[in-house]
Amino acid sequence: GQNIDQPTEMTATEGAIVQINCTYQTSGFNGLFWYQQHAGEAPTFLSYNVLDGLEEKGRFSSFLSRSKGYSYLLLKELQMKDSASYLCAVSNSNYQLIWGAGTKLIIKP
Amino acid sequence: IAGITQAPTSQILAAGRRMTLRCTQDMRHNAMYWYRQDLGLGLRLIHYSNTAGTTGKGEVPDGYSVSRANTDDFPLTLASAVPSQTSVYFCASSDGVAGEYNEQFFGPGTRLTVL
Repeated sequence: GQNIDQPTEMTATEGAIVQINCTYQTSGFNGLFWYQQHAGEAPTFLSYNVLDGLEEKGRFSSFLSRSKGYSYLLLKELQMKDSASYLCAVSNSNYQLIWGAGTKLIIKP
Repeated sequence: IAGITQAPTSQILAAGRRMTLRCTQDMRHNAMYWYRQDLGLGLRLIHYSNTAGTTGKGEVPDGYSVSRANTDDFPLTLASAVPSQTSVYFCASSDGVAGEYNEQFFGPGTRLTVL
C-alpha cells in the first residue's frame, strides 16, 4: 500500500525553530509537496521538492532524501500565525497526490 | 471570481437525498480534483479530471459521481447520501496534467453533514 507518516501534533515556542518530519512509501515518486492549512480553511502550497537536498524559501525550508523516503519541513523564527496543520503529500507514479494526515503545530508565546 | 469557488459553504442533508456540490475555477487550469478530509486522515481523492470531457476515479469514488462539461466547472454529486459521507469536501485545480509539476490550488471547502 501507499502511506505517508507524519507526527500528529507538535508544540513549539514563538521565535524558536521546529522541524516536522515526513516519511513515505508510495508507488513511484514524482515530487513531494508541503502545504499549510489553518483551522477551517483550505490547504495552501508551501514547497515542492523533486531532487534530493534543501530548498529554502524565507523562514521555511524543505529537505528531501529520496533514498530514505524522507522529508522534513523546517520553520524558523516561529510566529503565532504559524499555528496550523502542515500536510505532506507525495506525487506517485500516476501523478496523483497521496496525503499524510497532517501535523498540527501549536505555537506558545 | 478569483481562484476557486465552492458552493454551498455548508449543508445538512437527510440520508437518502441527492446532493450536488459545485466547484468553479477561473484560472483556466486543465486538471481538477475532489477530495474529502476527515479528522485523523489525510485528504483522500474522490474523482479527478485531467481535462474537460474526461474524468477518473480516485481512492474513494463509491457513492460519488462527477462531470466535466467545460474547463471551469467540476460538480460532485452524491446520488443517495449516507452518514459516512459526512465530511469536508475540497475542490482543487492544477495547471499541469500527468507528467508535469502539479501544484494544486484549493477551494474554501464545503462542510457536509448527513443525518
